[in-house]
Amino acid sequence: GQNIDQPTEMTATEGAIVQINCTYQTSGFNGLFWYQQHAGEAPTFLSYNVLDGLEEKGRFSSFLSRSKGYSYLLLKELQMKDSASYLCAVRDEDYQLIWGAGTKLIIKP
Amino acid sequence: DAGVIQSPRHEVTEMGQEVTLRCKPISGHDYLFWYRQTMMRGLELLIYFNNNVPIDDSGMPEDRFSAKMPNASFSTLKIQPSEPRDSAVYFCASSPTTTGNWFEQFFGPGTRLTVL
Repeated sequence: GQNIDQPTEMTATEGAIVQINCTYQTSGFNGLFWYQQHAGEAPTFLSYNVLDGLEEKGRFSSFLSRSKGYSYLLLKELQMKDSASYLCAVRDEDYQLIWGAGTKLIIKP
Repeated sequence: DAGVIQSPRHEVTEMGQEVTLRCKPISGHDYLFWYRQTMMRGLELLIYFNNNVPIDDSGMPEDRFSAKMPNASFSTLKIQPSEPRDSAVYFCASSPTTTGNWFEQFFGPGTRLTVL
């Protein structure tokens, strides 16, 4: 079966760095997405990885290792507004998006 | 750019009633997706369309659910009859077809459905 695993919840301090991990087992691989979802709002696109390595976009970076079926989202200089759920999604061989359950990130002052 | 538009934003209905959710995708986007999100099951893909044609409806829970896309700018998701377990947030998303075969999905604000 297809499976994506993320921690359910994480807590971090304002100004710090946090890494949210995602491991996946899917039938084929055609890219991995990270989305941010604030409570009561729609998911919004953060990043996309299809090749191994690190993609940096401002305070956010996303890493992919296809051989390990592993990705992480790195958030630096955390701000209170970063409190949200972070969803990992993998596109399989049929170009279907398989979604993780999301990681709820709580930022404390 | 108006983004993906969904209506209604909130719907409260009684068990057994018909519910129709509406979506207007971003102009020019070829793909339209309907999702359901609950605390227990997370985000689930129900069905998606490409150029108004349903491609995969394997996520539709049962025959009570149906979706249509009569034209490129409008889609509906209908539940008839509705049941309390259908209570969830229903998202519509759209995406373009781009070169390189990757695309992000743009989500609408969602419809929060409560079935009593």
